[in-house]
Amino acid sequence: DAKTTQPPSMDCAEGRAANLPCNHSTISGNEYVYWYRQIHSQGPQYIIHGLKNNETNEMASLIITEDRKSSTLILPHATLRDTAVYYCIVETGTASKLTFGTGTRLQVTL
Amino acid sequence: ETGVTQTPRHLVMGMTNKKSLKCEQHLGHNAMYWYKQSAKKPLELMFVYNFKEQTENNSVPSRFSPECPNSSHLFLHLHTLQPEDSALYLCASSPINQGPETQYFGPGTRLLVL
Repeated sequence: DAKTTQPPSMDCAEGRAANLPCNHSTISGNEYVYWYRQIHSQGPQYIIHGLKNNETNEMASLIITEDRKSSTLILPHATLRDTAVYYCIVETGTASKLTFGTGTRLQVTL
Repeated sequence: ETGVTQTPRHLVMGMTNKKSLKCEQHLGHNAMYWYKQSAKKPLELMFVYNFKEQTENNSVPSRFSPECPNSSHLFLHLHTLQPEDSALYLCASSPINQGPETQYFGPGTRLLVL
């Protein structure tokens, strides 16, 4: 069974915030939420990860609900270059492997 | 530029050929990975190496043979492949820490088997 559930696709207007949801209702206490993205025909790129607290870096913000059963990746000002498939992954911190699902295809439009 | 390079970027080979994919990381990481991404399918983990030792083989057919001579280099030797092996092959590396690990991916080798 998949550990995460994401919508298959989303659209966002350029300059607006893109909010990508992820459900992970069976997450364990020692599992982190990771987000990666893959721009067409390139290797995946790490975006951000978190355990319990909300996190922010230069690329995005990660909001994790208090019960940790869902999270939202926020791209504050989406650009055309943010068009990609976004993967939400739940794994333990010491895991050496990532299990990629089908992700959310984000299309940023003018 | 992620610090992980892969060569060649594109490869066309016949089913009787032998070829090798190369991955090199300049990040000082101790773990390296091979993934396969077929069209319209999620990435599939193939092999994991920690400190040059193989720690995971995800039921990969023997026509794929990995080699990790040191922590910076990873090879995938290919022989007698099938057309269904056509895919994007991605290499990644990560540090081995006690905490959460971030994997850094190369650009991939797009393989076509005729």
